[in-house]
Amino acid sequence: KNEVEQSPQNLTAQEGEFITINCSYSVGISALHWLQQHPGGGIVSLFMLSSGKKKHGRLIATINIQEKHSSLHITASHPRDSAVYICAVRSRGGDKIIFGKGTRLHILP
Amino acid sequence: DAGVIQSPRHEVTEMGQEVTLRCKPISGHNSLFWYRQTMMRGLELLIYFNNNVPIDDSGMPEDRFSAKMPNASFSTLKIQPSEPRDSAVYFCASIRATGNNSPLHFGNGTRLTVT
Repeated sequence: KNEVEQSPQNLTAQEGEFITINCSYSVGISALHWLQQHPGGGIVSLFMLSSGKKKHGRLIATINIQEKHSSLHITASHPRDSAVYICAVRSRGGDKIIFGKGTRLHILP
Repeated sequence: DAGVIQSPRHEVTEMGQEVTLRCKPISGHNSLFWYRQTMMRGLELLIYFNNNVPIDDSGMPEDRFSAKMPNASFSTLKIQPSEPRDSAVYFCASIRATGNNSPLHFGNGTRLTVT
């Protein structure tokens, strides 16, 4: 079993829909990262969380440390949000960063 | 800040040749990671360094792969000899290891094709 699991693996939605991507992990962590990768592009950091909730524009990230679960939400989705979203956790007590396999999001106009 | 700088952006080589990928982390970042990304396996951690010292190389697939970090501003990943199954995008990332509030920064990657 992977230490970081994301769901769904693939998601297709219509423009304007509310999107939720989930991440569950099985190790103790000091921080969780949400990353975005556009097709053929580099990887950029969206959020870094250790507790609670963060918001940036139409993106919201939440984390529940007790349940070892995080969600990334996109409100009023747009075709330009189409990308792979990757959850990564930084293990507690070390600096190893473990990645989920990513969620491929496709927003239809 | 210029961000994490990787070179080359693209590398095409023949099987059996030596390949060297380069990475310059962000100044002040003391952890550096090498990742490989393929369609089948996603992002895989190959090796990471703290303060120029290799900490975990369990992800390095074979002895054909080696990585060095001679100083805080430079790292290399070498494949010798290269094989077609090494074809992937190789990313370097850096982070400030101390504290929990440092985001992870990635380079633009090196797309390696081994024919």
